[in-house]
This record gives sequence, structure tokens and C-alpha cells, in this order.
Amino acid sequence: AQTVTQSQPEMSVQEAETVTLSCTYDTSENNYYLFWYKQPPSRQMILVIRQEAYKQQNATENRFSVNFQKAAKSFSLKISDSQLGDTAMYFCAFMRGSGGSNYKLTFGKGTLLTVNP
Amino acid sequence: GAGVSQSPSNKVTEKGKDVELRCDPISGHTALYWYRQSLGQGLEFLIYFQGNSAPDKSGLPSDRFSAERTGGSVSTLTIQRTQQEDSAVYLCASSNGVNEQFFGPGTRLTVL
Repeated sequence: AQTVTQSQPEMSVQEAETVTLSCTYDTSENNYYLFWYKQPPSRQMILVIRQEAYKQQNATENRFSVNFQKAAKSFSLKISDSQLGDTAMYFCAFMRGSGGSNYKLTFGKGTLLTVNP
Repeated sequence: GAGVSQSPSNKVTEKGKDVELRCDPISGHTALYWYRQSLGQGLEFLIYFQGNSAPDKSGLPSDRFSAERTGGSVSTLTIQRTQQEDSAVYLCASSNGVNEQFFGPGTRLTVL
């Protein structure tokens, strides 16, 4: 079974600054995907960024980037130039599998990020 | 295009009653998932439908929980004889085989 651990229940950052959210996972799988989801107070889960385990290059989406360390089973999320709208719960998630397959997500407990003006 | 929709948005029920929660996935998505989000347990997988294959029910917490997916589209999650510990947000997601799951807004269930 896979486990995902987010060791920071809450974090805060000043607007325009950079913040890094931590995530570690445990698996015996070789093919898998990692995700960061954002859940604002509206409850809608929104995909922030995804990383395929077979790719060495870290994924980047605008102000969001990851530091994927496969050997260490670490997958941290960096948010640059933080904005007030980034305030949300952030979930790290793991999914086993290879291309074309669908599997369940295993989530961490989440990190509540507050961006202060 | 339309995203995943869920109804009702909120449901309050009395202990012992049955409830049905509905999920309309994105059109054309072959996979549909139900998750439960509660304060104590975080986000937990409940059940997964993939096309015409038998569903993966490994996450259902008890036999009071069941789900069906009719015509490969709409899904209903049924909880019989609700208990207070069933209070949670129930999230539905769908996927089209490219490994990204799209979530609905959830149904907040409160069992009194």
C-alpha cells in the first residue's frame, strides 16, 4: 500500500514571497504519478501540477514548480510570487500506473496555506 | 464545457435514514471515482468505476455503502442506515485515461 505524508499542517506566507510545501511518499511501485491539488474554501479540488515518475525533469506550471527527488521519495511544491488567491488547502497525491490506465488517488492529510497581504 | 457536477450540495439527515448522492461526470470520461473527506480521516478513496469493468469497491467502509453507475455515466452513492460518523464531504471525480482526475464540488452530508 502507498502512503503520502505532508508534515506541515499549516503554513503562512506574505504576498509576493515564495513558499515550499513538503510531501513524502512510500511505495514499491516503479511507475506512478504525483500530483498537487488545491482546495479553496469553495471545496472544489483543482489540479495544480502533476509529475510522471519516469521523468527526471521537474514539472513547472507558471508560478508553481516541484522538486521531485525519486530516490528520496520526496515531492515538494514551490509557489513563487504568492498571491492572495493561493490561500487554500493543498493536497499531495499519489497514483500508481502507466499511461492510459486509471487508478485511485492516495492523498496526504493536506497543508493549509494562508497568504497574508 | 461542463465539469463534474454533484447533487445535492448539502444534505442533512437523521441517523438511521438512507441517503443517495448523485454524480454527473464529464461527458466521455470512462472512469469515475468516489472519495470521502472528513476531519479525522482526510481524503479517502471509496469506489472506482472503469468502463464496463467490475468496480473497485475496496475503499467502501461498510456494507451500508454502495454505489452504481448507470449507462457508464451518472453514478449514485447510497448510504443506508446513516450513522453520525458518516458525516463528511463526498467528492466525485472523473477521468478520461490521461491520469488527471477532475473533481466535482462535493456533497456535504450531515447526520444528526
